[in-house]
Amino acid sequence: GAVVSQHPSRVICKSGTSVKIECRSLDFQATTMFWYRQFPKQSLMLMATSNEGSKATYEQGVEKDKFLINHASLTLSTLTVTSAHPEDSSFYICGYYEDGYTFGSGTRLTVV
Amino acid sequence: GEDVEQSLFLSVREGDSSVINCTYTDSSSTYLYWYKQEPGAGLQLLTYIFSNMDMKQDQRLTVLLNKKDKHLSLRIADTQTGDSAIYFCADPNQAGTALIFGKGTTLSVSS
Repeated sequence: GAVVSQHPSRVICKSGTSVKIECRSLDFQATTMFWYRQFPKQSLMLMATSNEGSKATYEQGVEKDKFLINHASLTLSTLTVTSAHPEDSSFYICGYYEDGYTFGSGTRLTVV
Repeated sequence: GEDVEQSLFLSVREGDSSVINCTYTDSSSTYLYWYKQEPGAGLQLLTYIFSNMDMKQDQRLTVLLNKKDKHLSLRIADTQTGDSAIYFCADPNQAGTALIFGKGTTLSVSS
């Protein structure tokens, strides 16, 4: 079945720096991808969906200038958290839709 | 907008059955899903049900769907301590490009 590789699995960064999270599809080409954020003991909240080669569609309340999503190829999508702050500390999960929903293993971001 | 609701906690004894309930608002979905998340881990697809089915059984898991009431349930037979996790009900968004998750039900299994 489809496999999504997400990394890093854990990252600690200083407040004010930017962090990039990568999401790769290993055995298929995905035209649609999605990013979720999960705060401790809370549900997964959809941040945005994107199509390869076009701009991401952000959910209401998600700052597009802060969470930069790039879907430049059919096998790679990236989420960059710019000028990270402690309140951005969360679990971020990516995935692709292609005959089903496939998720990466998630990235635990801690901003100190 | 679309919404998925779940009860937040369920506590059972090992060997008992667990039933996790979910309600959703979007009636146009073709499939509905159940995911499991263990502490500190990603999402594991447990099972899904096609919208024209009332029931689906997969080993210890039974999914019941009441489309009229927009109610979905997951029954775990002979619950084990390894079943302790958070269980999410999920419904595709209107575009079908992503999933809308419930808040998750924390299942606690005591021996």
